Amino acid sequence: DQQVKQNSPSLSVQEGRISILNCDYTNSMFDYFLWYKKYPAEGPTFLISISSIKDKNEDGRFTVFLNKSAKHLSLHIVPSQPGDSAVYFCAATGGTSYGKLTFGQGTILTVHP
Amino acid sequence: GAGVSQSPSNKVTEKGKDVELRCDPISGHTALYWYRQSLGQGLEFLIYFQGNSAPDKSGLPSDRFSAERTGGSVSTLTIQRTQQEDSAVYLCASSLEGGLNTEAFFGQGTRLTVV
Repeated sequence: DQQVKQNSPSLSVQEGRISILNCDYTNSMFDYFLWYKKYPAEGPTFLISISSIKDKNEDGRFTVFLNKSAKHLSLHIVPSQPGDSAVYFCAATGGTSYGKLTFGQGTILTVHP
Repeated sequence: GAGVSQSPSNKVTEKGKDVELRCDPISGHTALYWYRQSLGQGLEFLIYFQGNSAPDKSGLPSDRFSAERTGGSVSTLTIQRTQQEDSAVYLCASSLEGGLNTEAFFGQGTRLTVV
């Protein structure tokens, strides 16, 4: 039962353009969402988060959008840079899974110079 | 330490042997998590410790897996009678309080290979 899904295994964009990474969830009890970035041979690092009381959170080049009715969130990176190339994981928590982050499968982002 | 430290970074073991993986969380962090990532998969929750509360073991895949956290700090994940399907990267994370609105910091992981 995949409660958090990232349906695109990979995404390729040109440097300077926008990268949009998508994530869907099925558990309506989730009320806090996070994005993590992972480079090879390293642990994931926190990128940005959003609470369900908001629909947008912005931090520099990174913006996360939340559509609760659609149970969908997205991460926008503008402008994309080659150093952004990594695996991006969406995660969610809340309700009975309080304290437990449920992760998606990840999306490999490649930003070409 | 400055970050979450895991040891060993790599472990190759024979099928049927027991292994112990260690995690040193960030000092002062009360919450500690274990996840694993199998090849081509996402991060699978294993177990969660928060302060003195009973751990959430709901993610442990079988009774061959166990974990403890001594003194509210260092944690050890033990896998008994390892199987080839246990091969994965085992990731430990810690956070200041646990639960909602807290950022979890991950270690670099232990790559376990069962041959």
